[in-house]
Amino acid sequence: GAVVSQHPSRVICKSGTSVKIECRSLDFQATTMFWYRQFPKQSLMLMATSNEGSKATYEQGVEKDKFLINHASLTLSTLTVTSAHPEDSSFYICSARDLWGSQETQYFGPGTRLLVL
Amino acid sequence: EDQVTQSPEALRLQEGESSSLNCSYTVSGLRGLFWYRQDPGKGPEFLFTLYSAGEEKEKERLKATLTKKESFLHITAPKPEDSATYLCAVRKSHGSSNTGKLIFGQGTTLQVKP
Repeated sequence: GAVVSQHPSRVICKSGTSVKIECRSLDFQATTMFWYRQFPKQSLMLMATSNEGSKATYEQGVEKDKFLINHASLTLSTLTVTSAHPEDSSFYICSARDLWGSQETQYFGPGTRLLVL
Repeated sequence: EDQVTQSPEALRLQEGESSSLNCSYTVSGLRGLFWYRQDPGKGPEFLFTLYSAGEEKEKERLKATLTKKESFLHITAPKPEDSATYLCAVRKSHGSSNTGKLIFGQGTTLQVKP
């Protein structure tokens, strides 16, 4: 199946710093990418939908100024957690939509574990 | 309200003991039901997409089926390596396009003992 990569896989940072997470679709072009957050033993929570060349659409309750999303190309989206605080510690997962004819599949990256001290 | 409910929350099986996981949904304008497998500390791994009632798909020991109200993931003769959390998600129509976000269930955590 299609591959989605994320970098870094894990990051530890100090409170107040910003962290950038990259998401790449490796063998297909993704006009739409998604960013999720997952807490322990819970399901995925959609944070925002990222469309190539346009502004991201954020879910209710997600601060767009805190979680900056850029989708500059058909294979790359980035999530920047600005002024990170301990409560931002979580598992962040990106996803990319692959449209092939009438079939549509959404592939997920391996996730990024963020720990804010 | 659009909703996806998975049952059971947790399932313990002996190796070789076949069973089924359920995903019930209430959503208007279904544009695909997705099954994923997630191992601890990793992103979900795509398994199947089903689009219409009556559709079935198979992959190794897994078989997914779809009706108008629910989907089943049948696991035949499971092995310990099938232990994981299985997530179900639905995508609904978004206007006239086939876009739209996935609505996830809470998942079923499967443990297969040797």
